[in-house]
Amino acid sequence: DAKTTQPNSMESNEEEPVHLPCNHSTISGTDYIHWYRQLPSQGPEYVIHGLTSNVNNRMASLAIAEDRKSSTLILHRATLRDAAVYYCILEATGNQFYFGTGTSLTVIP
Amino acid sequence: EAQVTQNPRYLITVTGKKLTVTCSQNMNHEYMSWYRQDPGLGLRQIYYSMNVEVTDKGDVPEGYKVSRKEKRNFPLILESPSPNQTSLYFCASSDGHPYGYTFGSGTRLTVV
Repeated sequence: DAKTTQPNSMESNEEEPVHLPCNHSTISGTDYIHWYRQLPSQGPEYVIHGLTSNVNNRMASLAIAEDRKSSTLILHRATLRDAAVYYCILEATGNQFYFGTGTSLTVIP
Repeated sequence: EAQVTQNPRYLITVTGKKLTVTCSQNMNHEYMSWYRQDPGLGLRQIYYSMNVEVTDKGDVPEGYKVSRKEKRNFPLILESPSPNQTSLYFCASSDGHPYGYTFGSGTRLTVV
């Protein structure tokens, strides 16, 4: 199974950047790295995904290490609405997703 | 609106009484999947389907069945529910590799 390791929790001040790390040392060459977040009482929500190169979208940036054994989700300016559990996921072949327990992000006003 | 719809949102049932949780998507996605979420364990995949009549086991398939007779629907069946199946269940659909999943709002199941 393709597994990821994330810190259980992190804190950030509002309007400051947040860097959420993820280790995935068992990643294989065809695995995509996905990030989802889950707000309280809601289903997970797609944030971003990538394979080898860094990726940017309107929600966040994804920085992928050269050896692909780790990645970092970057929220450029944290808002209170970004408080959620963030999941780093490896997508194995066949579209199987292996969620971990995620990182609970607290945003401090 | 593009969405994944699960029903019911809440369900309390008794041990051994067969139940079905329905899941429907309106995005013409080929991939669909079921997850359960338990405190401290995160989300775990139960079953997934890559197309009509094609289903595969995820990480925790024991005690569950699924069917994919048509593209839009992917029901989760508990033939004989037990208390250890008390959980929050999510259905999700995807356009396939490498695109991500759209999740439903969840079904909170309690088996007493």
